[in-house]
Amino acid sequence: DTGVSQNPRHKITKRGQNVTFRCDPISEHNRLYWYRQTLGQGPEFLTYFQNEAQLEKSRLLSDRFSAERPKGSFSTLEIQRTEQGDSAMYLCASSLSTGGAGTEAFFGQGTRLTVV
Amino acid sequence: QKEVEQNSGPLSVPEGAIASLNCTYSDRGSQSFFWYRQYSGKSPELIMFIYSNGDKEDGRFTAQLNKASQYVSLLIRDSQPSDSATYLCAGGLRGTSYGKLTFGQGTILTVHP
Repeated sequence: DTGVSQNPRHKITKRGQNVTFRCDPISEHNRLYWYRQTLGQGPEFLTYFQNEAQLEKSRLLSDRFSAERPKGSFSTLEIQRTEQGDSAMYLCASSLSTGGAGTEAFFGQGTRLTVV
Repeated sequence: QKEVEQNSGPLSVPEGAIASLNCTYSDRGSQSFFWYRQYSGKSPELIMFIYSNGDKEDGRFTAQLNKASQYVSLLIRDSQPSDSATYLCAGGLRGTSYGKLTFGQGTILTVHP
């Protein structure tokens, strides 16, 4: 499978616990994005990387959220002290950085987080 | 005002009909537009992208962009029950922030036999 891979697919955690998600992008893609999607809404941008550099973070990304992309390959998104409002689908996408046709972002299957 | 707004749904059409999905955007800086299809519980799947004013056709799908009116649409011809899904419109920039997309809330399409 050469698509974007996310793990785990589902995560149930108790409020206050920390969780970490992993994303493996399409191998030749140097850009990687994290989005969050709640029920009935479109995905909301959280942050993105070009190679290992985190270029932008949304205001939605509170201090409890941190993302890394060591060595410019896979990425992790950690949520500390989870709250019930963090329950959502966390989507990862990747693309090339050239911005031309054919370099659009492709999404992984997502990690569904439920905070109880 | 949301930056990207889609026509309120749900939209129901009979099999074989044309489904018309509409989207407006407020950021005149947006330069690229995408339509994604999302089945329940699955991730968004890219259907089409459009950068230039006018129409772009790909099989049964036609995307239309009118930058003056800040309007994007997707037409699905000969709709099939398998087209039943949520359709997401997204706008983005080209260049440095390419790939950082602003999505609408989605329109649920149901194609009934």
